[in-house]
This record gives sequence, structure tokens and C-alpha cells, in this order.
Amino acid sequence: NAGVMQNPRHLVRRRGQEARLRCSPMKGHSHVYWYRQLPEEGLKFMVYLQKENIIDESGMPKERFSAEFPKEGPSILRIQQVVRGDSAAYFCASSLSNTEAFFGQGTRLTVV
Amino acid sequence: GESVGLHLPTLSVQEGDNSIINCAYSNSASDYFIWYKQESGKGPQFIIDIRSNMDKRQGQRVTVLLNKTVKHLSLQIAATQPGDSAVYFCAEPPPSGYNKLIFGAGTRLAVHP
Repeated sequence: NAGVMQNPRHLVRRRGQEARLRCSPMKGHSHVYWYRQLPEEGLKFMVYLQKENIIDESGMPKERFSAEFPKEGPSILRIQQVVRGDSAAYFCASSLSNTEAFFGQGTRLTVV
Repeated sequence: GESVGLHLPTLSVQEGDNSIINCAYSNSASDYFIWYKQESGKGPQFIIDIRSNMDKRQGQRVTVLLNKTVKHLSLQIAATQPGDSAVYFCAEPPPSGYNKLIFGAGTRLAVHP
């Protein structure tokens, strides 16, 4: 049973470009969470999704950031017009319901 | 707002010694806490959890202590090994129960031979 899969592991984007981060939850998991981690800091909650629904996006910036978890395929975190401040590690976690969440290895975004 | 925070950013220990990592929380209504281990370049990994109706919980080489009076919890690692080198986070889910975890800043544990 593969764990939470995130890709790419590393992503470099120039300022103004778009970044797309993908997360495939563990098999059977329908709950997905995205977190952002700045260097030397803890993880900060961004968004919680269930299949085709955004449940809580209170931690996600109102502009340029969006997330989806379609019926088929991985969850996508999309950052438009990236800026240097978006450089961070983005982690995805998945769970069955209100059970333990398992984290992926993260995508490290570098904006140059 | 409510927060979960850590006292020490870095802890250096000798291999074989016991390690103690501390965490303070501010919400007296918090009833569930989780410790995570994050190795370099990896995602957080669940270590152990504790509910507020307990003062102590033991796992394999790890013990979590909860002091609700002073809103403090600690993670004790016995006979620390090089493989324990990582950043350790305490985290707290919201009352709603889903995994909108609030993480502390983390403590880096460095184990020296």
C-alpha cells in the first residue's frame, strides 16, 4: 500500500509563472489536507478537501492560490503568478475520515 | 489566537543519553496532542499521541507527559540513537476533530556519537 505520493519533489519557477503541486492520497483515503512549511518553521494548515469539495480553506491565501480534489485523479494545489515569498515546502496529508493523517514527502517550491 | 509552541529550538545529546523535548500550549480546552518526527527532506511522521484524560503515555523508547495545570507536554526519548536525529513537533487538532493540525515551531534534535 503506497503512502501519500506528492510530485514533483522539487519545483523551480520564475516569478510570475504558475506552480502546480500534485498529491495522490493513500488508497481508500478521501480526505486531503495541504500544509505549507517555511524554512525552520512548523507546518501551517492551508486547506482541507474531500472528494470534489473544499471543506475548509481558511489557511489559504485568498489570491493566487487554489486547490481541488476531483472525483478522479490527484488533488492539485495551484499557485498562480508565483512570488519569492511562495518558496516553501508544501505537504499533503490524507486520512480515511477523522482518523490519523499520513503525510507525503512534500514538494519543495523555489521561486527564482 | 490559540497556539502551540516549543521552548528550545535545538537540542544536542550524546548517543545513548535520554532526550527531553518540551512543548507549551495555550488553549486550556485542548484535549488531544500529537508528536511528529520530521527527518530532513521528509514529511512529518506520527510518533505518539495523548489525550487530556491521561498524564502519561508510553511507546517504544518514547514517553509523552502531559501537565494540564501548566499547559505543558514533553516527549522523552530513551537511549537516543543517531536515527532519532530530526525535528520534532507537537501538534494539536481543533475541537472539530479533523486534521487541521496546529503545529509548534519544532525542536531540532542532534544526536552525537
